Amino acid sequence: ETGVTQTPRHLVMGMTNKKSLKCEQHLGHNAMYWYKQSAKKPLELMFVYNFKEQTENNSVPSRFSPECPNSSHLFLHLHTLQPEDSALYLCASSQYGTSDTGELFFGEGSRLTVL
Amino acid sequence: SQQGEEDPQALSIQEGENATMNCSYKTSINNLQWYRQNSGRGLVHLILIRSNEREKHSGRLRVTLDTSKKSSSLLITASRAADTASYFCATDPLYAGGTSYGKLTFGQGTILTVHP
Repeated sequence: ETGVTQTPRHLVMGMTNKKSLKCEQHLGHNAMYWYKQSAKKPLELMFVYNFKEQTENNSVPSRFSPECPNSSHLFLHLHTLQPEDSALYLCASSQYGTSDTGELFFGEGSRLTVL
Repeated sequence: SQQGEEDPQALSIQEGENATMNCSYKTSINNLQWYRQNSGRGLVHLILIRSNEREKHSGRLRVTLDTSKKSSSLLITASRAADTASYFCATDPLYAGGTSYGKLTFGQGTILTVHP
């Protein structure tokens, strides 16, 4: 396994379902991120975890719940989503330092469709 | 409004031609990064240029940064059909504490199409 792996690649769910997206990084990085990519909109940063601690929650609705059990794994728990939440959800990791944010390594994304 | 904005939104060229994409931003930065995304896939990092650098090269890529104009350009020389993708700039904003804590801000991207 190399890089950043996201599962599932595609997910269709109803508005009352509960599902989870999983991300695993094999790069030894200490920071992980969730981004949302919707059509015709810039990438939106949702959550940042540095050293397993959440350092950013970018005004994300509570129906999205992140979990970072260790520095290699990141989950995004989904419940009672809305159709406008349909998007490509991208996980990324980086080696976070004290001076600036370096290169992000992205997974292939999870394409979510909410019916 | 968003930090990084790319121009043009779409660019169509023939194989062998050069492609130039521009990015403008609004606040002071630690660095600026360029990424590439093939349709429906994840983003791939291309190059990072720090605020004290003016130009950087990587293979067929050349990036310039003008902090006085708050702008950057990405030049792809001798383009190939395989270069067809969306290209994004991302800025690492400079905060009072010196680090953005991972809050890269992406633009909407330039869609590049290279015709064989």
